[in-house]
Amino acid sequence: DTEVTQTPKHLVMGMTNKKSLKCEQHMGHRAMYWYKQKAKKPPELMFVYSYEKLSINESVPSRFSPECPNSSLLNLHLHALQPEDSALYLCASSQGQVNTEAFFGQGTRLTVV
Amino acid sequence: GEDVEQSLFLSVREGDSSVINCTYTDSSSTYLYWYKQEPGAGLQLLTYIFSNMDMKQDQRLTVLLNKKDKHLSLRIADTQTGDSAIYFCAERHIRRGADGLTFGKGTHLIIQP
Repeated sequence: DTEVTQTPKHLVMGMTNKKSLKCEQHMGHRAMYWYKQKAKKPPELMFVYSYEKLSINESVPSRFSPECPNSSLLNLHLHALQPEDSALYLCASSQGQVNTEAFFGQGTRLTVV
Repeated sequence: GEDVEQSLFLSVREGDSSVINCTYTDSSSTYLYWYKQEPGAGLQLLTYIFSNMDMKQDQRLTVLLNKKDKHLSLRIADTQTGDSAIYFCAERHIRRGADGLTFGKGTHLIIQP
């Protein structure tokens, strides 16, 4: 099983809403990632969790708040987003060492109105 | 610094071989990856290569790595219409004790009948 599951697949939210994106993997991976992908652009790293601790925050605005409740789950809490935050949000996981594969979920297509 | 470059488009006839090229700058990269992304979908890991290898073959896919020139290529033999997608080259790097992927801009592979 090399599956990373993201929910929801699509999300439309207003600028005053609070919502959460969810990501789950059952491969025993100890590193999980959030990436943001704008249309016709490559994915850009947002956050890295290693052994359930936040190890990289790529200067992401505080309206994005990651959470790793356990080694299988990764959440991204959204609050007071802007229309320019509309994008595909991708979750990935790996064993956490450089010499291993990284697997991606199908993404959540977020539209902020 | 980290920078991964790819050409944006490649057009090939069905049945021909496709060769997608990528250059990277981080000499400390240990693993290099090829991902496929179809419209509206997440990233599918196609293959990867260790930096101490110069070639890897997996069915229709052949990866060539020239570490001296920091040049990576992906050859798809007998290209089919289902191969139409965007192909991302990515390098894996370690910063601050954790890792992440840096992606190229992606090459859009267009298949002509």
